[in-house]
Amino acid sequence: DADVTQTPRNRITKTGKRIMLECSQTKGHDRMYWYRQDPGLGLQLIYYSFDVKDINKGEISDGYSVSRQAQAKFSLSLESAIPNQTALYFCATSDAGDNQPQHFGDGTRLSIL
Amino acid sequence: RKEVEQDPGPFNVPEGATVAFNCTYSNSASQSFFWYRQDCRKEPKLLMSVYSSGNEDGRFTAQLNRASQYISLLIRDSKLSDSATYLCVVNMGAGNYGQNFVFGPGTRLSVLP
Repeated sequence: DADVTQTPRNRITKTGKRIMLECSQTKGHDRMYWYRQDPGLGLQLIYYSFDVKDINKGEISDGYSVSRQAQAKFSLSLESAIPNQTALYFCATSDAGDNQPQHFGDGTRLSIL
Repeated sequence: RKEVEQDPGPFNVPEGATVAFNCTYSNSASQSFFWYRQDCRKEPKLLMSVYSSGNEDGRFTAQLNRASQYISLLIRDSKLSDSATYLCVVNMGAGNYGQNFVFGPGTRLSVLP
């Protein structure tokens, strides 16, 4: 299912570099989310957006920023990467409404050296 | 207390066994509930939504107990392909802009031949 596409799939970079992770979707959903997952832990919400003009911080937004360029695109930036941002990053989308589930992209594996 | 807690696992069961996972949540105003499965280093995939009356999808049965604030997932006749980590997800928000998906840490299941 390629309805939610993340690029790149893998990235290795050095401390201090600026990195952008991109997410695009063809599901027509208004809502998009960025999560990170660390081994043995649940997914943690970084940022979310309910429409093009709406950006909200999640529980771990420090060190990250986002841009909602269009309904279908939501990018995540690490302004100055640090090693503890090494993680698996997922983009997700959902339709509006309380009972709508989220649909995830394949993930981006990011390593900061 | 964590917002969403799950059986710590791992569960190692033989093929054909019945296995049940439990999940508890802290916010009594939570609106919707889901079970996802996640294969190693892959994205979470929606397994089923959990409805107040309980629901079944083939070998999988989900139950919700609002009074005790827990949900459960029962898998009957386990298959090798059921081996994965099962994530409990609770939407603790309310209203159209109150979406707040909280993920449990997951319960790992290994089905053995």
